[in-house]
Amino acid sequence: SAVISQKPSRDICQRGTSLTIQCQVDSQVTMMFWYRQQPGQSLTLIATANQGSEATYESGFVIDKFPISRPNLTFSTLTVSNMSPEDSSIYLCSVPMNTEAFFGQGTRLTVV
Amino acid sequence: AQSVTQLDSQVPVFEEAPVELRCNYSSSVSVYLFWYVQYPNQGLQLLLKYLSGSTLVKGINGFEAEFNKSQTSFHLRKPSVHISDTAEYFCAVYTGGFKTIFGAGTRLFVKA
Repeated sequence: SAVISQKPSRDICQRGTSLTIQCQVDSQVTMMFWYRQQPGQSLTLIATANQGSEATYESGFVIDKFPISRPNLTFSTLTVSNMSPEDSSIYLCSVPMNTEAFFGQGTRLTVV
Repeated sequence: AQSVTQLDSQVPVFEEAPVELRCNYSSSVSVYLFWYVQYPNQGLQLLLKYLSGSTLVKGINGFEAEFNKSQTSFHLRKPSVHISDTAEYFCAVYTGGFKTIFGAGTRLFVKA
């Protein structure tokens, strides 16, 4: 299994600012994923964070809005840029391991 | 492409009654199937998973699910629910690309 720590657990931010979310895994993993869960909605995959190369974004998500870093095999960050109230969501990182996905506890973001 | 359909957005049920939450998936290849539960203001918790073998899978908290390949279904059941089972339940498929695709979720509301 994997233990995933996310920081911050929650934040309230002003519109137009940016927030960087950190994800730390207790073991080395090849792939890390970032998800968004909008209020009352399911989880939607934002991107795959690849170590040593640019992230791969899903349809509807772009690098300028959600830049991702993956400096090593245990750590990744997701930045939510130029935030608007529509970005208020829970953001989760996830790692696949042995045919199962493990999830962090999420970052609950409120944009005011 | 894989997809997951949860047929009921909300399921109200009385305490101690049985419940079934329906899930259908679409995939041209073998898949791994999961049910997650999300209690209010909490993270995702794995209820159970199907990887291979017996089509009846038992999970935590008295839940079980049956994999039906011919009907491409993975319905979740519990013979007697409790108030504490009130939560959002997500069916998910783990793809060959190590991504997890989630259904829209079913809100189980257990009434006294």
